[in-house]
Amino acid sequence: GAGVSQSPSNKVTEKGKDVELRCDPISGHTALYWYRQRLGQGLEFLIYFQGNSAPDKSGLPSDRFSAERTGESVSTLTIQRTQQEDSAVYLCASSLGKGADTQYFGPGTRLTVL
Amino acid sequence: SQQGEEDPQALSIQEGENATMNCSYKTSINNLQWYRQNSGRGLVHLILIRSNEREKHSGRLRVTLDTSKKSSSLLITASRAADTASYFCATDESDYKLSFGAGTTVTVRA
Repeated sequence: GAGVSQSPSNKVTEKGKDVELRCDPISGHTALYWYRQRLGQGLEFLIYFQGNSAPDKSGLPSDRFSAERTGESVSTLTIQRTQQEDSAVYLCASSLGKGADTQYFGPGTRLTVL
Repeated sequence: SQQGEEDPQALSIQEGENATMNCSYKTSINNLQWYRQNSGRGLVHLILIRSNEREKHSGRLRVTLDTSKKSSSLLITASRAADTASYFCATDESDYKLSFGAGTTVTVRA
């Protein structure tokens, strides 16, 4: 079946603008994750959804970052008033159940803030 | 917080050789996973080993786990150019959260 998809694949924006990143998880996967990966580094956890609820938002770096999930499906990560340090690849993953087992990743969105 | 730490940071080998990378972690785990990332994009799950397992194989991959030393190794045998990628270990920080290391970048030379 279809894997996790993300859009756009690349986004270039100007400092101060808002951006929305979209994730479509694998159908039936109740857990959804957003990660940030800066160049040459590991994955930084941002937020976890179980269904449409976000029991763990502890990784969101500031109040400029927010995320929502609807219909236990698509999720949107919004970054307001983007800064240059927001430049990174944003990865979405989904898993069946609670997710400390296998996570399935999308191809990521490469965000560049000029 | 990153619990898993991979070693070495980078590895360059000739096609056909074996590649070994290690992962160390700090707290007790239920499972440890290895993922591969090509060209800085999405990660692909390679193998999961549970805390009561010592060794696991999948094709040309062999993973070991030593819970007494809090370490794991990933061996890729008979490497190919297509194995060029970054490899990450991930440990279960909780029942829903994985903690990823910074990765080992493997380059396989033709």
